[in-house]
Amino acid sequence: DAGITQSPRHKVTETGTPVTLRCHQTENHRYMYWYRQDPGHGLRLIHYSYGVKDTDKGEVSDGYSVSRSKTEDFLLTLESATSSQTSVYFCAITRGGITGELFFGEGSRLTVL
Amino acid sequence: GQQVMQIPQYQHVQEGEDFTTYCNSSTTLSNIQWYKQRPGGHPVFLIQLVKSGEVKKQKRLTFQFGEAKKNSSLHITATQTTDVGTYFCAGSRDFGNEKLTFGTGTRLTIIP
Repeated sequence: DAGITQSPRHKVTETGTPVTLRCHQTENHRYMYWYRQDPGHGLRLIHYSYGVKDTDKGEVSDGYSVSRSKTEDFLLTLESATSSQTSVYFCAITRGGITGELFFGEGSRLTVL
Repeated sequence: GQQVMQIPQYQHVQEGEDFTTYCNSSTTLSNIQWYKQRPGGHPVFLIQLVKSGEVKKQKRLTFQFGEAKKNSSLHITATQTTDVGTYFCAGSRDFGNEKLTFGTGTRLTIIP
């Protein structure tokens, strides 16, 4: 258990509404990640963070923004949700560097109607 | 960009049969990791390989990294119902400096 909690775990929203997913860790790890998982695509990196206020884009960052104002919290925001953003979102941390073993949260299932 | 493909996408086996999933990269990798995700769960780290030709075993699971470090495989001997799930590989071209890229995964189902 890497002390990662995601909230909310499930959310249904309508197209055009803003959505924020929260990832909280208890171990003060430097690197945090947001992935989305869709059938046939595996896990795709949205954004990641390498420290407070230090973030960078992943391979599918369009339509998403992130913030990390504290070491323990990494927020993923969909400014205006679209149906293509219906997915399962996983937060993860690495205890080592950027290519270390990933520890995932339980996931947040988002449905955009 | 870097691409990591896995085959097959799905595999159904009778309990007790063997299972293999293959991971192929378009570029040379510095390391490769394997994860297992149970249905409804989150991915869990299994192992990391870093050396050319490396072979590691975990009970009934055998992991191999190709000589050219562009492919890898996971072999499960005598599958059990507890092996059900999706297996993902993830690789990086520059260990310690570059993010991991995940393969598309192989979903294993077991027929009792």
